Amino acid sequence: DVVMTQSPLSLPVTLGQPASISCRSSQRLVHSDGNTYLIWFHQRPGQSPRRLIYKVSNRDSGVPDRFSGSGSGTDFTLNISRVEAEDVGVYYCMQGTHWPPTFGQGTKVEIK
Amino acid sequence: QVQVVESGGGVVQPGGSLRLSCAASGFTFNSSAMHWVRQAPGKGLEWVASIRYDETNKYYADSVKGRFTISRDNSKNTLYLQMNSLRHEDTAVYYCVGGSFDPWGQGTLVTVSS
Repeated sequence: DVVMTQSPLSLPVTLGQPASISCRSSQRLVHSDGNTYLIWFHQRPGQSPRRLIYKVSNRDSGVPDRFSGSGSGTDFTLNISRVEAEDVGVYYCMQGTHWPPTFGQGTKVEIK
Repeated sequence: QVQVVESGGGVVQPGGSLRLSCAASGFTFNSSAMHWVRQAPGKGLEWVASIRYDETNKYYADSVKGRFTISRDNSKNTLYLQMNSLRHEDTAVYYCVGGSFDPWGQGTLVTVSS
């Protein structure tokens, strides 16, 4: 199975400041169809996960443009340009290129 | 409104069985693959099972293979997860998830305890 490794696992941030989460895969995530199936989710405390970004860099409807995804191959990054209070929670990356789908361990974002 | 709503969770003894259901609405269920993902208390996300839109293929995590069965009824826009021979380590919130891992339901808690 493809191992997804996130860092850091804990990220204290200051409101209004940028934040960045890394996600590395044990295999390249380019599918034979040319797409890279790397997804980012956000789970607020007490809520179910919500998809934020799909295929590396495509924001879902309603996701603020302060969120952006980038990367290729085995290295991917989720950036938040200016952290707001509602951004706290756990962020997960997931790959859907290779079967079975696998998730990163999660990165807990909290306000300093 | 695109949504999925799970039901059927509860407390069950080790070795027991439980059937989860997931009612989908707001999207073309009969052309969407569907998934179950679980989250043990205080832990991360674990993919459990997936099913193609036409049930021609079903996939399971090694941890549940032979014990869990995923199925669907496209006439009822409903996804199921039959869970047999339940173990303590199956205790988790079980999420129903749409084909491209969106949307997610609110989850249903399964507790395996004697």
